[in-house]
Amino acid sequence: EVVMTQSPATLSVSPGERATLSCRASQSVSINVAWYQQKPGQAPRLLVYNVATRATGVPARFSGSGSATDFTLTISSLQSEDFAVYYCQQYNNWPPPWTFGQGTKVEIK
Amino acid sequence: QVQLVESGGGVVQPGRSLRLSCAASGFTFSNDGMHWVRQAPGKGLEWVAVIWFDGTNRYYADSVKGRFIISRDNSNNTLFLQMNSLTVDDTAVYFCARQGSSTSWAFDYWGQGTLVTVSS
Repeated sequence: EVVMTQSPATLSVSPGERATLSCRASQSVSINVAWYQQKPGQAPRLLVYNVATRATGVPARFSGSGSATDFTLTISSLQSEDFAVYYCQQYNNWPPPWTFGQGTKVEIK
Repeated sequence: QVQLVESGGGVVQPGRSLRLSCAASGFTFSNDGMHWVRQAPGKGLEWVAVIWFDGTNRYYADSVKGRFIISRDNSNNTLFLQMNSLTVDDTAVYFCARQGSSTSWAFDYWGQGTLVTVSS
């Protein structure tokens, strides 16, 4: 099973600042990585898939990068609505499981 | 628009069974793979199971293998999760999610979740 490790666990950022979230896979997962945003009491929302492709309706301030085992989600200028928990996921394994990282909480500094 | 609505959660004693449903609308259900993902209170997301668009392939997390069964009724646009031999560790919000054909299989739509509490 591929283990996805996210860092840091918590990121304290001021509104308007840049946030950089990391995700490392225990083995290569090619480009089959997605990022999700989850707010309290809500379902996760797909932000980015295939490492760097934004899902429909996702603002351009969200960008993904990386390859093989190391991946990054960058939020260029944090807005109030961006404070949430972010999860990476790999969907490269065959057969599944398609594992999630443990999450990074982005909180207001 | 795409909608996924879970139901069937509740409080159940350890060792008992529960069946979750996920009603789909707004898309051609029979074209897409479907997943269950769970989230224990205060914890992260855990992938549980997937079923292929036509039901031919099903895969499970090790933590539920042999106890949970994923199935679907394409004529009624409904996904199911039969959960047997439940333990306290199965307590979680259970989400159904669509495997997006235009998102290279990332999960593009999610339901709001249904809470399962396993307690004596």
